[in-house]
Amino acid sequence: DTGVSQNPRHKITKRGQNVTFRCDPISEHNRLYWYRQTLGQGPEFLTYFQNEAQLEKSRLLSDRFSAERPKGSFSTLEIQRTEQGDSAMYLCASSLWGVTGELFFGEGSRLTVL
Amino acid sequence: QQQVKQSPQSLIVQKGGISIINCAYENTAFDYFPWYQQFPGKGPALLIAIRPDVSEKKEGRFTISFNKSAKQFSLHIMDSQPGDSATYFCAPPLGGNYQLIWGAGTKLIIKP
Repeated sequence: DTGVSQNPRHKITKRGQNVTFRCDPISEHNRLYWYRQTLGQGPEFLTYFQNEAQLEKSRLLSDRFSAERPKGSFSTLEIQRTEQGDSAMYLCASSLWGVTGELFFGEGSRLTVL
Repeated sequence: QQQVKQSPQSLIVQKGGISIINCAYENTAFDYFPWYQQFPGKGPALLIAIRPDVSEKKEGRFTISFNKSAKQFSLHIMDSQPGDSATYFCAPPLGGNYQLIWGAGTKLIIKP
């Protein structure tokens, strides 16, 4: 399978705990995006990388959220001191800069904060 | 600022019928007009897209129509099937970072 891979698919945690999600993009894609989606809503942009550089962060991304893409390949999204409002599907997408505007999404990581 | 308005919010169509979903936009800087399809528990996937130099594009049962003067584009699903039941989003990208501007989504249900 050469699509975007996300792990874990599901995570249940208690309020106050830290969680980390991993995204492996399509190998030749140099852009990587993180989105958050709650039930019945469209995806909300969180942040994106071009290679290893984080170029933009949404104002939605509080200080408890941090994302990295250390070698320009896989990326991690960490949420510290989780809150119940963080419960959502976290989607990763990748694309090839300069080639249309098509994003390829993974299947998402669903977070439930108890 | 809502740049993309999608309608209807939900749609029920009989099997074999035509499903039509519309998207109106404000920003004339958009130059690529995609529709994404999302099944429950899955990430969105590009279904079909059009550039503004053409007014219509057809791929199988799916047609996207573009009206530049009205600043609207629409998705038509011919011979709708139960397997088409999903949520559909228009999401044109804006700017050099190709950040997608998402519509609110249309939940489509095809009744057998």
